[in-house]
Amino acid sequence: DQQVKQNSPSLSVQEGRISILNCDYTNSMFDYFLWYKKYPAEGPTFLISISSIKDKNEDGRFTVFLNKSAKHLSLHIVPSQPGDSAVYFCAASDLTDKLIFGTGTRLQVFP
Amino acid sequence: KAGVTQTPRYLIKTRGQQVTLSCSPISGHRSVSWYQQTPGQGLQFLFEYFSETQRNKGNFPGRFSGRQFSNSRSEMNVSTLELGDSALYLCASSPGTGYEQYFGPGTRLTVT
Repeated sequence: DQQVKQNSPSLSVQEGRISILNCDYTNSMFDYFLWYKKYPAEGPTFLISISSIKDKNEDGRFTVFLNKSAKHLSLHIVPSQPGDSAVYFCAASDLTDKLIFGTGTRLQVFP
Repeated sequence: KAGVTQTPRYLIKTRGQQVTLSCSPISGHRSVSWYQQTPGQGLQFLFEYFSETQRNKGNFPGRFSGRQFSNSRSEMNVSTLELGDSALYLCASSPGTGYEQYFGPGTRLTVT
């Protein structure tokens, strides 16, 4: 039972354009959501998070949107850069430190 | 601050053997979590320790165990290794509940 789903295994975007990565969840007890970026042979790197009491959080080029009624969150990267090419994981947690991850979306930003 | 460190980085073991992986969290972080990453399965939660106590456990068999020491360093042990245990094992630390977790580079375990 996949509680956190990233239905797009890959995404290709031109440099300078917007990248939109999507994530859906099923557990209404989740109250904290995070996005991680992962390069090959490295551990995931924390990017941005959002609490369930908010619907938007912004950090530089990265913005996360949360739609609780739809149980959906998205990560927007504007403008996209070649260095953003990586696998992006969305993760969710309830009141514990147990993170439930999606299966990841591979983003490729081409010139 | 130094990041999360994991040793060894790579390991090759034979079916039936056991293995111990080590994780040193970021200084001051008391929570350490372990995850298994396999192709197609993403990252799956193994367990989490806080102040030497296991607080959360994922859906893995009892062959997977862990512990945390008083200095917050953690070890994970897998006994009677199976081919399917081949994976990247990631350790993450955080100051506590409600904070983002910071990951180490992982230990790549190959079981032959």
